[in-house]
Amino acid sequence: AQSVTQPDIHITVSEGASLELRCNYSYGATPYLFWYVQSPGQGLQLLLKYFSGDTLVQGIKGFEAEFKRSQSSFNLRKPSVHWSDAAEYFCAVGAGYGQNFVFGPGTRLSVLP
Amino acid sequence: NAGVTQTPKFRILKIGQSMTLQCTQDMNHNYMYWYRQDPGMGLKLIYYSVGAGITDKGEVPNGYNVSRSTTEDFPLRLELAAPSQTSVYFCASSPRRQGGGTEAFFGQGTRLTVV
Repeated sequence: AQSVTQPDIHITVSEGASLELRCNYSYGATPYLFWYVQSPGQGLQLLLKYFSGDTLVQGIKGFEAEFKRSQSSFNLRKPSVHWSDAAEYFCAVGAGYGQNFVFGPGTRLSVLP
Repeated sequence: NAGVTQTPKFRILKIGQSMTLQCTQDMNHNYMYWYRQDPGMGLKLIYYSVGAGITDKGEVPNGYNVSRSTTEDFPLRLELAAPSQTSVYFCASSPRRQGGGTEAFFGQGTRLTVV
């Protein structure tokens, strides 16, 4: 069965600093990979997705992620964080009958002014 | 464009009460899902449906029931509410595409407290 780990429960960065959120997955075949963001009291919004092809994918709000098959990783990056990026970030893998989505536990991002 | 709509947004239930969380989508998506979100646990799949008339259990189905009589609607039923069902519930949908690989679209969530 597929699983997703996000090693960092909470990360704090200063505004303008770079950001990397880690995600590792376990799945026997080529996975479909996603990053979602959740602002307080809101639903989940898709940041970016990887299905196939170029392993570096661009998303909304200046985010990018790189798929590394050898490391079973799909880390999210942003070169310069804005205060509005403070939120919870979820990595997910989608696969199987019904295209089920398995989510990691999430990483909460705080941004210092 | 409404997307995925959940009602209610908030609800307080007493132990043993029942209720139905409503979910409707206007994107003609085949797949629909119910997740619960608990702090530090991510989202856990309760039930899912691949089309009208077809439902299946996810990771944490106990205490819940679903039905899918139409493509648009996927209600979640709690028959005997328990404190362990205090959570935030999210409904989601995704289209079926040849070869797979589709993203999920989420509703705004229902915050349920069982006291």
